[in-house]
Amino acid sequence: GAGVSQSPSNKVTEKGKDVELRCDPISGHTALYWYRQSLGQGLEFLIYFQGNSAPDKSGLPSDRFSAERTGGSVSTLTIQRTQQEDSAVYLCASSLSLQGTYGYTFGSGTRLTVV
Amino acid sequence: AQSVAQPEDQVNVAEGNPLTVKCTYSVSGNPYLFWYVQYPNRGLQFLLKYITGDNLVKGSYGFEAEFNKSQTSFHLKKPSALVSDSALYFCAVTGWDNRLAFGKGNQVVVIP
Repeated sequence: GAGVSQSPSNKVTEKGKDVELRCDPISGHTALYWYRQSLGQGLEFLIYFQGNSAPDKSGLPSDRFSAERTGGSVSTLTIQRTQQEDSAVYLCASSLSLQGTYGYTFGSGTRLTVV
Repeated sequence: AQSVAQPEDQVNVAEGNPLTVKCTYSVSGNPYLFWYVQYPNRGLQFLLKYITGDNLVKGSYGFEAEFNKSQTSFHLKKPSALVSDSALYFCAVTGWDNRLAFGKGNQVVVIP
């Protein structure tokens, strides 16, 4: 597609429920990143993929968070047993390569609210 | 791990005056540096990047940034600010571990 697409754009969920956030990167972009932006905070790195592989998962805040990428394209970030502190905007970015030689393109994000 | 510091929480500038948003970085090896802008309820929009070459980088919307290796800085500048430049600005750096590390962001307020 022309840009990075994220869905849903907004998600309200009850505490304790599981949620899935989707990222559809630009076609051909092998690198994909997930970030979390809490209210008034900067961007917190969560995980990145090179192809379908995630070499660095250390940014995931707890074992309730997981992510996968299939076919070198779409990625899903799953949060199990959501907590109120998970409320944030989750941003996805893709790039032609790691290190950003060609820059990174961000999606508009998914605003997650846990009530 | 690499890191970015954006020392000011908010930058206020009168319309038509020069705008500077400060950024310093820490990284092992050669840095890849970026500036992004975020408008309310929007994703991040790319402004410019430094990979190699000229230290002065020109980007979108009349913005430019100067890479200074000795001072490990990459300040964002615009000669004449517009009210529409009011937004949240993020500096970011990539290092050897392929993580794009962001600063906490600077809120820019351009006063008419």
